[in-house]
Parts: sequence; structure tokens; C-alpha cells
Amino acid sequence: AQSVTQLDSQVPVFEEAPVELRCNYSSSVSVYLFWYVQYPNQGLQLLLKYLSGSTLVESINGFEAEFNKSQTSFHLRKPSVHISDTAEYFCAVSDRSGYSTLTFGKGTMLLVSP
Amino acid sequence: DAMVIQNPRYQVTQFGKPVTLSCSQTLNHNVMYWYQQKSSQAPKLLFHYYDKDFNNEADTPDNFQSRRPNTSFCFLDIRSPGLGDAAMYLCATSRVSAGAGNEQFFGPGTRLTVL
Repeated sequence: AQSVTQLDSQVPVFEEAPVELRCNYSSSVSVYLFWYVQYPNQGLQLLLKYLSGSTLVESINGFEAEFNKSQTSFHLRKPSVHISDTAEYFCAVSDRSGYSTLTFGKGTMLLVSP
Repeated sequence: DAMVIQNPRYQVTQFGKPVTLSCSQTLNHNVMYWYQQKSSQAPKLLFHYYDKDFNNEADTPDNFQSRRPNTSFCFLDIRSPGLGDAAMYLCATSRVSAGAGNEQFFGPGTRLTVL
């Protein structure tokens, strides 16, 4: 079984400032890692994922996350946030079997203000 | 565009009155999921279908049922909604294949209000 910890329930930040949303996971087996974003009253959208290869993965809108196996972390970063980045961000993990459900963290609300 | 569609987006029902939420997909994915999400919480998996095989989470109340008549459609039935069942219900799909990592694609959700 896996678990995901997102320690920060809410992260307030000013526009154009950098941000890091933390995600740590626990698993006895190798995992895949995901970040999903949810805007108000909408479903979840995949932001980025780590399956294999380079430990640094990037999204098309400037977010990046780095898989750190030794620290069991997959923190999400953006060097300069926009007002439109205000949303709930969920970290999720699944094991590497061919068929596995996702385990979500509790989410971090990113609040970007002018 | 291939997508996951949920209807209706907003549903109001009365306490104890059965309600059905629907989900359809054009992705031809073999797995379909139903999640319940309450305010400021993570989505909670209720059950999922892997093809025709139904998989119920251990803590999903009996009040919740699901049907998947074909690959494209999946329904969530709440037999006797209580006030505590008011939530956003999310449908998701995935294609199980080696190395795909079980990436799930979500619909926009149905917000259920119980009066």
C-alpha cells in the first residue's frame, strides 16, 4: 500500500514569486508519480507525471517536479506564478504493476494574489 | 476531442430519493472510476470497473451502486441519498498498459445537492 503526504494545506504567494508545493510518499514498491490540478468546480487535470527516465519532469505551463527516490519526494515548483495558477494541487502515486489505482494526497491550495 | 463527459453538471435531489449520475467516454479506455470529493478534500475512490469486472472499495457504503452497460458508459446510482452524500462526484478513465502508469483522465464532475 502507498500513502501520500502533502504537508501544506494552503500556500499563499504573490504573483511572479516562485513557489514550491511539497509532496512526500511512502511505498514498499516502485511507483509512478503524478501531479493533478483542480480549478473551482471542475474535474482534475493532469499537470505532469513521472514514469521513468529523467527525474525532472516539466509541464507546458512552466511547472516542474523532481523525483527524489532517496527522499521519497516529488515536489512541484514554478519559478514565477500567475494569478491563473490559483487552484488546488493534488499529488498522487500508483505502484508499477500493470493495474493499480491512484492514491491521492490531501491537496494543497495555491492562492496567488496581486 | 476525446474526452470524459459527465451529466448533469449539477444535480439536486431530495433526501431519500434515488438519483443516477452518468459518465461517458470517447477515449475507449478499459477502466472507469467513480470518486466522491467533499469540499477541500482529496477525491475518494468509491469503485471502478476494469472492463466488465466491478471492484468495490471496502468502505464504500451499500447505498452506492454502479453499472457499466458498455465500454463507453458508466452510471453511479445512489439508492437513498442522505445529507452526507452531498459532494462532487468525479468520473475518471484510464487505459491499463505496460508503462502507462495508470494516468487517469477526469470528467468535469457532477455536484450533488441533497435537500
